Amino acid sequence: DAGVIQSPRHEVTEMGQEVTLRCKPISGHDYLFWYRQTMMRGLELLIYFNNNVPIDDSGMPEDRFSAKMPNASFSTLKIQPSEPRDSAVYFCASSLAPIPIYFGEGSWLTVV
Amino acid sequence: DAKTTQPPSMDCAEGRAANLPCNHSTISGNEYVYWYRQIHSQGPQYIIHGLKNNETNEMASLIITEDRKSSTLILPHATLRDTAVYYCIVRLNAGKSTFGDGTTLTVKP
Repeated sequence: DAGVIQSPRHEVTEMGQEVTLRCKPISGHDYLFWYRQTMMRGLELLIYFNNNVPIDDSGMPEDRFSAKMPNASFSTLKIQPSEPRDSAVYFCASSLAPIPIYFGEGSWLTVV
Repeated sequence: DAKTTQPPSMDCAEGRAANLPCNHSTISGNEYVYWYRQIHSQGPQYIIHGLKNNETNEMASLIITEDRKSSTLILPHATLRDTAVYYCIVRLNAGKSTFGDGTTLTVKP
């Protein structure tokens, strides 16, 4: 079975540029999560969706970050404009409650 | 969601059992205990979960105390590939899961 698929796996971009991270959840899962991981802050939940509807976005750092889920098989996390402090690994994960969360391999973002 | 407390690091000899403790003294009756691990540079991987009873799968065993205030993840025969950060979390509802700092397990030859 295909797991959670994220793209791109690695991205290096210049400060001020727009960054779009993409995620395809596991088919049939009704929850989708976006996490960010850094050495300083660990694994942070940014936002999660249930049945394509955002439920809790309290972890989104600021207005530069936005996430959408136009359908059950696709989600995006956008950063505009990007800043060096946004450099991190961004994980997408999905689940079918109460079955556990399954994570993708992450998108490694470097903003220079 | 209930807060969990884990030791920051542990060592284990290869081939021996690794016992990773977790305290969740404020857990409520409908919260599950989940364990994940993260090997360097990879996404967190689900290991096992339980509500009240002890659980076992091909990867590990989960022992939950009768009062549910603590649990132990047991890797019966640790290998070098089990070196990772292990996260214990409790999940109140079907949605939000908050990860703490976890325990860094180092399996030594």
